[in-house]
Amino acid sequence: NAGVTQTPKFQVLKTGQSMTLQCAQDMNHNSMYWYRQDPGMGLRLIYYSASEGTTDKGEVPNGYNVSRLNKREFSLRLESAAPSQTSVYFCASSDHPFTYEQYFGPGTRLTVT
Amino acid sequence: AQTVTQSQPEMSVQEAETVTLSCTYDTSENNYYLFWYKQPPSRQMILVIRQEAYKQQNATENRFSVNFQKAAKSFSLKISDSQLGDTAMYFCAFMKHSQAGTALIFGKGTTLSVSS
Repeated sequence: NAGVTQTPKFQVLKTGQSMTLQCAQDMNHNSMYWYRQDPGMGLRLIYYSASEGTTDKGEVPNGYNVSRLNKREFSLRLESAAPSQTSVYFCASSDHPFTYEQYFGPGTRLTVT
Repeated sequence: AQTVTQSQPEMSVQEAETVTLSCTYDTSENNYYLFWYKQPPSRQMILVIRQEAYKQQNATENRFSVNFQKAAKSFSLKISDSQLGDTAMYFCAFMKHSQAGTALIFGKGTTLSVSS
């Protein structure tokens, strides 16, 4: 039981490049989330998916797209990376509405130069 | 809009002492959940404790307990018998509900340093 896994762990991009961050959970959870964490800030919600087939914007969605590929997987895509997207990205899942605890992946450190 | 405020950016304490981290939040909801998460240098987010707003009794988990004051919208975390392994950033979080689902609103965090 791996919990929530994220790939890659580290990534360096040039401005304008695109990439997809992958997230998978093996806990059969309904809900999945993408957060970003910047220095001096808490985690801020980018997008979330309450259940397979649905996605919704969070607090800071601009510059990102998401895909809930199936119940296990939730990917985050940067179409044209900008230096302002340099951050640590966390994926999380929860089995809402049964409990509200969110389980987090190990994070991806992304640097855009 | 819901907000979460942690007014102490940094705190330090010695081993075996007790420390309290503050958190206030703003919401018009009546039923909600509150959480404290710990983020050690490894960067992993770890749930420390959670509180359901409809419960009057304060949650406890071993050395960790909360002081939940619903009317004051205050949710502080008390760590007793502090250990070196408690050194981490601590985030207070509020569970917000919407038609699309639920999501966490985080405070900016308090960096706790425990020294010997």
